[in-house]
Amino acid sequence: DSGVTQTPKHLITATGQRVTLRCSPRSGDLSVYWYQQSLDQGLQFLIQYYNGEERAKGNILERFSAQQFPDLHSELNLSSLELGDSALYFCASSIQQENYGYTFGSGTRLTVV
Amino acid sequence: GENVEQHPSTLSVQEGDSAVIKCTYSDSASNYFPWYKQELGKGPQLIIDIRSNVGEKKDQRIAVTLNKTAKHFSLHITETQPEDSAVYFCAASSYNFNKFYFGSGTKLNVKP
Repeated sequence: DSGVTQTPKHLITATGQRVTLRCSPRSGDLSVYWYQQSLDQGLQFLIQYYNGEERAKGNILERFSAQQFPDLHSELNLSSLELGDSALYFCASSIQQENYGYTFGSGTRLTVV
Repeated sequence: GENVEQHPSTLSVQEGDSAVIKCTYSDSASNYFPWYKQELGKGPQLIIDIRSNVGEKKDQRIAVTLNKTAKHFSLHITETQPEDSAVYFCAASSYNFNKFYFGSGTKLNVKP
């Protein structure tokens, strides 16, 4: 167990729907990062939050949004889902703003049908 | 932006042999290079990392080398074991930025 908890583990939903993925970082970690892993594109950085504030943005679509709450857990919201959004979504956490010491969760597998 | 290329995409070795995975990067500002191992159904796990002020780093059977001039770095696994079978990802990043650029992954199969 890495200490980073992601729920749910699996999610199946229809096109056009909206889902929320949840991440609880490792105890003491202030930074949360979201990544998308699809078969043909590898691991793609989406967004980072540090202590409740957005710190860095990657290839995140406008249909996607995220936030980090005062208790440091984070949620990734995916709306108007398309078939191409089917992927593994990983959350990682680290103690600082800097990017070393990443710990990944076990991911949420999203299937859009 | 940064572009990380990783080779080979698949690698099959006999137990006890060595395995080498190579990555190149494009941004000379990158100065931190971690390697991750991903087993089936799990998230990537950091196995070793190297910073740009070091040319080589070892941890038991795993070593990483970095050539900043040529912009490439490699993962070396010696005395491979079946439990080394997994997908390995390299990544590059700069301390100033909070995102990693990952390679496309290498599926390593260690045959008993």
